[in-house]
Amino acid sequence: EVQLVESGGDLVQSGGSLRLSCAASGFTFSSYAMNWVRQAPGKGLEWVSCIIGNGDDTYYADSVKGRFTISRDNSKNTLYLQMTGLRADDTAVYYCANGVDNGWYYFDYWGLGTQVTVSS
Amino acid sequence: IVLTQSPGTLSLSPGDSATLSCRASQSVRNNYLAWYQQKPGQSPRLLIYTASYRAAGIPDRFSGSGSGTDFTLTITRLEPEDFAVYYCQLHGTSLWTFGQGTKVEI
Repeated sequence: EVQLVESGGDLVQSGGSLRLSCAASGFTFSSYAMNWVRQAPGKGLEWVSCIIGNGDDTYYADSVKGRFTISRDNSKNTLYLQMTGLRADDTAVYYCANGVDNGWYYFDYWGLGTQVTVSS
Repeated sequence: IVLTQSPGTLSLSPGDSATLSCRASQSVRNNYLAWYQQKPGQSPRLLIYTASYRAAGIPDRFSGSGSGTDFTLTITRLEPEDFAVYYCQLHGTSLWTFGQGTKVEI
């Protein structure tokens, strides 16, 4: 059974930094791209970043490019999101998600999310 | 590519049918268009992928159709657990994009 468990969310001041983690199990982690998707309070879903299985290629939404860095440790089956220069509009629940069943175009599995709150 | 969902809110009763629309500002390559359901306090759940294929474990009252720029999610015989927010999502040159959501309420 695929499981994704996020952690690391916290209350942080504007301009601060935070690192999120996503522990994965139930599938061959190194074979699949992984994503971060966020949801601001009362708002819709926003894709944030993607990293391919071997970590060689990464992709970012324009809203976080240059401030966030996605990475992975395939020996630990863990995905990371290093967030710097945090702003109030980064406040959201951050989900890790992947497309194990139907390809990297979609998000088959989601974690429960971790809350990031940026105070101004 | 921008995805526009309509209507914003759909007010229906159990047993009704729901028709949700998702329109793309440009043609969606290979119909890489998905639908998700999200209930309050829960993570999203994939319902439909590549416009019309049901994900594993999704009841057949959920169906997707469309191609190019216009896509539809149809829910027949609404069950109480179907009242939720539904998002469309595509993969394209802007990587991954979601629509703003349609709330199906009682």
